[in-house]
Amino acid sequence: SQQGEEDPQALSIQEGENATMNCSYKTSINNLQWYRQNSGRGLVHLILIRSNEREKHSGRLRVTLDTSKKSSSLLITASRAADTASYFCATGEVSGSARQLTFGSGTQLTVLP
Amino acid sequence: NAGVTQTPKFQVLKTGQSMTLQCAQDMNHNSMYWYRQDPGMGLRLIYYSASEGTTDKGEVPNGYNVSRLNKREFSLRLESAAPSQTSVYFCASSLVLFGNTIYFGEGSWLTVV
Repeated sequence: SQQGEEDPQALSIQEGENATMNCSYKTSINNLQWYRQNSGRGLVHLILIRSNEREKHSGRLRVTLDTSKKSSSLLITASRAADTASYFCATGEVSGSARQLTFGSGTQLTVLP
Repeated sequence: NAGVTQTPKFQVLKTGQSMTLQCAQDMNHNSMYWYRQDPGMGLRLIYYSASEGTTDKGEVPNGYNVSRLNKREFSLRLESAAPSQTSVYFCASSLVLFGNTIYFGEGSWLTVV
């Protein structure tokens, strides 16, 4: 079953605008990761935020995590046509010695030139 | 570095045929995974190998078998292919099980007719 659910499922913006994608999850997590997938390619890791962190930056990416609301957001600033891709959140859970990483169904971002 | 390499890239099978997807990583990672990706379903874990010599079922293992041949290689076998197994298959690896960054291969497109 999917732990993370992205919202919206699809997003279309103009180049230069900011893009915000959200991820909601259901159970306690150890960390939350965001991945990017270009059409016809594998997933590429973008950024990880731990459960005790609230915000993290990497270049034009800004990730926030609100554990009380069980949600995260990925902001891409000053978007470019090359940012067109699907973006997935993945929740990392640790329970005793068991570890798990569960992917959501993704947000398809289209950046129009 | 090649990273995670999987073959074949494309395959068409008839119902009932068998085939093996091959995967190799050159990053000296301990853990390896096989995922399938279907439209609107995100990635679902089929099988994983925490370390050389161990394999475990993921979310959707039925109809598949795996072999962790050595630390580098992790193969996925479909013994009797069914149309429901038409999907895109991704091999992945990480240093530790469900670790901070998972590295993905480029995918194998499988169609069962």
